[in-house]
Amino acid sequence: SYVLTQPPSVSVAPGKTARITCGGNNIGSKSVHWYQQKPGQAPVLVIYYDSDRPSGIPERFSGSNSGNTATLTISRVEAGDEADYYCQVWDSSSDHRCVFGTGTKVTVL
Amino acid sequence: EVQLVESGGGLVQPGRSLRLSCTASGFTFGDYAMSWVRQAPGKGLEWVGFIRSKAYGGTTEYAASVKGRFTISRDDSKSIAYLQMNSLKTEDTAVYYCTREGRGSYAPIDYWGQGTLVTVSS
Repeated sequence: SYVLTQPPSVSVAPGKTARITCGGNNIGSKSVHWYQQKPGQAPVLVIYYDSDRPSGIPERFSGSNSGNTATLTISRVEAGDEADYYCQVWDSSSDHRCVFGTGTKVTVL
Repeated sequence: EVQLVESGGGLVQPGRSLRLSCTASGFTFGDYAMSWVRQAPGKGLEWVGFIRSKAYGGTTEYAASVKGRFTISRDDSKSIAYLQMNSLKTEDTAVYYCTREGRGSYAPIDYWGQGTLVTVSS
């Protein structure tokens, strides 16, 4: 089965840039979606199809995807960005299954 | 406004069954695939399975961890999706989210319910 690997944690100072990676075999050939989850809340879509932003998501959130790594970048980090972030793809190699990354806790120092 | 409201969670003994419901509003329910995603306490997100819209056959797919025990169904006339969980195990303890898939190939999950907690314990 397809595996997506994320770093368990990323720490960043306010105003700086956070980069969260999502590693998978030839992930650049897949469409990657990113979700933000704050404590006690349901996840929220922040990036879809690698780099598109849903309405209401700040321009500070951006995404890229190439080779074996997809990246979520949060520029000018704010305290309110502290959350867990998950990448996600659809794996069509065997039937059709949704795969989530292992998740990254972003801590704003 | 799109809303997804789960119900039916609670405490259940190992080996027993439970059925979750997801009542949708704010969109044409029958046009969308619906998924269930769960999250064990302190853990990450795990996809459970989904059901396609009738236009795509209304067929289902499941994660290996629940295949053969869980069944997803839908009632488009009532805008409700169901998750029937049989032969429950302690490792099925989690918050279960009802979600909507966006339109298009390999679409993201664009809406999530608030979740319902299922606790499997004797």
